[in-house]
Formats: sequence, structure tokens, C-alpha cells
Amino acid sequence: GNSVTQMEGPVTLSEEAFLTINCTYTATGYPSLFWYVQYPGEGLQLLLKATKADDKGSNKGFEATYRKETTSFHLEKGSVQVSDSAVYFCALSEAPYQAGTALIFGKGTTLSVSS
Amino acid sequence: DVKVTQSSRYLVKRTGEKVFLECVQDMDHENMFWYRQDPGLGLRLIYFSYDVKMKEKGDIPEGYSVSREKKERFSLILESASTNQTSMYLCASSPPTGSGQYFGPGTRLTVT
Repeated sequence: GNSVTQMEGPVTLSEEAFLTINCTYTATGYPSLFWYVQYPGEGLQLLLKATKADDKGSNKGFEATYRKETTSFHLEKGSVQVSDSAVYFCALSEAPYQAGTALIFGKGTTLSVSS
Repeated sequence: DVKVTQSSRYLVKRTGEKVFLECVQDMDHENMFWYRQDPGLGLRLIYFSYDVKMKEKGDIPEGYSVSREKKERFSLILESASTNQTSMYLCASSPPTGSGQYFGPGTRLTVT
């Protein structure tokens, strides 16, 4: 079945460091791919998405490129801030999309940024 | 902006009690979902609904039921709460286009 695998955390960085969180997936067809972020004590927020191969999603300085050849969707940011400390989830939505299709989530990667 | 609200942020219940968790969305989304989130296990789908009065089991429906009488409201019911249902419960909604889900703030339920 479909699945998402994320690198295990926690990831600990200093402010202004470069961030990469790896995400790979297994899916039939052409899923849509997402990154969500969860700040302490809050629900998940959609950070960025890509719906087809070679698409690049971007938001708030974060980027991820949908790589079908490597079945990957790695999250990157050039210079992290303390406020980026959160848990990051990679997810996929099966395609073709049908009514009620749920997301399949990775287990999350905790990022901690220190000043 | 899409807004998904959940009735409580924190809830403490006793074993055997009937528990209702309410979720309301204001974007006229067809799809609504209930997940539970546990450390080391990530998010697991309990139930989802793609239309009023329609429901489908997710990965872990045992011990739960749901109700969707109106499009904007999706309720999760624990018929007889047990300690292993202590968890963070997250509600989400989405349009029928596969463009991603929008989450509420979560309800942290403790069953003692």
C-alpha cells in the first residue's frame, strides 16, 4: 500500500543554518504531496504542496520539489529561525483523487532551532 | 481563510463515560476527517465523511463512532471511554479537489 517515510528526528540546528528534512514515498499512480507543520500546542497547518512531478511547492522560505524518479519530496530552507521550531509532517494524497480520500502521513520530524 | 474549530482544547473524562468531540468548518467542504495523534505513531485516521450522513471507517475505528447531520459539523463519539483513548484528537476538512486538508487546533483528551 501507499506509505510515507520521513527522516527521524529530532533535528537540532542553530539559527541561520540550512535545513533539509527527507521524505520518500511509495504510491501507485501520481499522488499529490504535502508538507504540514505543527507548532507546539496547535493543530497542523498546510505549509506547501505539489501536485505533479517536477512541481516545486514553496511558502515562508521553505521549498520542496516533487521528484518522481526518486519518489522524494524533501523539505528545505536556506536559513532557519527559532520560530521554525515545530514538528513537520510529509503526506500524500492518493491519485486519482476520489471523494473522501484521506491523507497518508509520515510520523513527523521534530525541528529545534537555537539562537 | 478556512477555519476549523473544535469544541474543546482540553478534556478530562472518566473511564466508561460517553464522550462527544465536536468539529465545525466554515468553508462548505464536502470532506471531513477525524485523526488521533500519538507520540511515535504519527497521525492515524479514525473515520471520515464525504457527505452529510455518509461515513467511512479509517484505520482505527474500533471504540469510536461518528455523526454528520449537517455539512459543517462532524462529531466523534467515544461510546465508553477507556484509558487507551487518551490522545490528541485532530479534525480536518477538505474540498473535493485533493488540494489538501485544513486542521483544527486539536482536543487533548485524557481518560482517567
